[in-house]
Amino acid sequence: GQNIDQPTEMTATEGAIVQINCTYQTSGFNGLFWYQQHAGEAPTFLSYNVLDGLEEKGRFSSFLSRSKGYSYLLLKELQMKDSASYLCALFTGGGNKLTFGTGTQLKVEL
Amino acid sequence: GAGVSQSPSNKVTEKGKDVELRCDPISGHTALYWYRQSLGQGLEFLIYFQGNSAPDKSGLPSDRFSAERTGGSVSTLTIQRTQQEDSAVYLCASSLSSGREFFGPGTRLTVL
Repeated sequence: GQNIDQPTEMTATEGAIVQINCTYQTSGFNGLFWYQQHAGEAPTFLSYNVLDGLEEKGRFSSFLSRSKGYSYLLLKELQMKDSASYLCALFTGGGNKLTFGTGTQLKVEL
Repeated sequence: GAGVSQSPSNKVTEKGKDVELRCDPISGHTALYWYRQSLGQGLEFLIYFQGNSAPDKSGLPSDRFSAERTGGSVSTLTIQRTQQEDSAVYLCASSLSSGREFFGPGTRLTVL
């Protein structure tokens, strides 16, 4: 199994920075995805890491360390609309499918 | 351009009835996936179609669940003799080959 772990819930303040962690145990994978899912809506793609390091995309950045079995999603200048569930997922090329963690519910407060 | 569409958006059925859920992937996407998401849970993989290859059915929870993809495009997920534990949101996603997936809005299934 891949045992993908994320914190269940997090709360942060508007304008602040928040880091959402994802740890996993797997023998191998092609890359790691982060998706955002607002309540009652479909997940939407945020980022994809193949190599170790930081991928930056506007207010969102994602980091991967394969040796540590660890990734995080960094959200800067938080806005109320960032309140959503954030899903970490491993892409295994052999099976050609994503395996999702249970997601982190982020609540942004004033 | 059109994204992934699913129908119906909501389905309420009685225990024991069969249901069919439809997914229209993005045109040209060769890969199609079905997932299930129960309240407050992550996405559970059900089945994956890639081109003309045999589907990966490893995630189907029981033989009451089946899916087909006609002509490499539209897919139908069928649940026979529905049970209350089948209540969930069923999400379909498609991708060009493999990797980044584009999700549909989902079908919320409620089994009474």
